[in-house]
Amino acid sequence: ETGVTQSPTHLIKTRGQQVTLRCSSQSGHNTVSWYQQALGQGPQFIFQYYREEENGRGNFPPRFSGLQFPNYSSELNVNALELDDSALYLCASSQSGRAETQYFGPGTRLLVL
Amino acid sequence: GESVGLHLPTLSVQEGDNSIINCAYSNSASDYFIWYKQESGKGPQFIIDIRSNMDKRQGQRVTVLLNKTVKHLSLQIAATQPGDSAVYFCAEDRATGNQFYFGTGTSLTVIP
Repeated sequence: ETGVTQSPTHLIKTRGQQVTLRCSSQSGHNTVSWYQQALGQGPQFIFQYYREEENGRGNFPPRFSGLQFPNYSSELNVNALELDDSALYLCASSQSGRAETQYFGPGTRLLVL
Repeated sequence: GESVGLHLPTLSVQEGDNSIINCAYSNSASDYFIWYKQESGKGPQFIIDIRSNMDKRQGQRVTVLLNKTVKHLSLQIAATQPGDSAVYFCAEDRATGNQFYFGTGTSLTVIP
């Protein structure tokens, strides 16, 4: 098991609602990346936070936003939920973004009805 | 658009045989590649990586081969075990911030 935790594990929302997902990074890691993984697909990069600042963003609309806190934990916020937002949301923490130090959490499974 | 993709969505092998999982990429600027293993109900787990200045890298029972001429990456697993059953993804680093882009994945099933 990695030291990365995510909450909640599962979540059901309705279209138009807003959701906040949380991630606690592994001790010593200062970078958190968020990914969306649709069923049967590979994870898609949403954005990365390094020392509380956004450090790169994938092809996701502005209604996907995030925060990183001084303890390097992070939140992913999604506004105006759409049915296609149903997916597994993964966070990964690392030391300065180095892949060999990147550990993924177990994910939050979001279902939008 | 540019993408990372896998040739085969599923692969079944007999326990003890070697497995080869392939990946094609199209972004010629990518210079760092990673293989991940994802077991059911878990997040992806780092297996091995390779930089574009290398053709081959070996780990414990795993070898990654990179052919930049044809933009092809492969993961070889020696003496495949039931615990190797999982979905395997290749991912590429397209930017300086280590932002990784994953392919669709190959599901590996090991038959005892």
